[in-house]
Amino acid sequence: DQQVKQNSPSLSVQEGRISILNCDYTNSMFDYFLWYKKYPAEGPTFLISISSIKDKNEDGRFTVFLNKSAKHLSLHIVPSQPGDSAVYFCAASGQTGANNLFFGTGTRLTVIP
Amino acid sequence: DTAVSQTPKYLVTQMGNDKSIKCEQNLGHDTMYWYKQDSKKFLKIMFSYNNKELIINETVPNRFSPKSPDKAHLNLHINSLELGDSAVYFCASSQGDRDGEPQHFGDGTRLSIL
Repeated sequence: DQQVKQNSPSLSVQEGRISILNCDYTNSMFDYFLWYKKYPAEGPTFLISISSIKDKNEDGRFTVFLNKSAKHLSLHIVPSQPGDSAVYFCAASGQTGANNLFFGTGTRLTVIP
Repeated sequence: DTAVSQTPKYLVTQMGNDKSIKCEQNLGHDTMYWYKQDSKKFLKIMFSYNNKELIINETVPNRFSPKSPDKAHLNLHINSLELGDSAVYFCASSQGDRDGEPQHFGDGTRLSIL
């Protein structure tokens, strides 16, 4: 049973425009949400996170929004750059109290120059 | 300087064999993890070690055994390999085991069972 879902397997965006990646979760016990970026043949790299007590966290071009009532979060990248082309994974923790990450299946972002 | 390194990067072997994957982190972290990414690209936690003690085991078959000689290393030993074990295995580490601590991942070991 997948507790974290990314329903868009792929997204294409023009360079300079905004990229919006979405994520839904089912377990209300999650209290931290993280976004990871992954290039081919490399491991996931941590991008940004948000605690469930917040609804927004910003770091440079990356902003994560959390809507707890809808069990939905999104990652905004603006402006998008060709180097942002990668697979983005949403992850959640808090169910086990041992930093056990539950991952979505990823969204492949392509930024077109 | 590679923060989390795994060896080997690729592993091709026959069904029934025993193999090990090594992981080392030079970040001074206390907690290390093993994840499995299956053919559908779904990343799933297998094990977590905090200061050399197993703190979670997500119903992984006992053919898989993590071994941590010290807090900088978490190796994964797999006995009697099966076709379904073909996957990419990622090692990760974090400063502690508090929820929300970002985890740093290695580049993965692609295991192929013939």
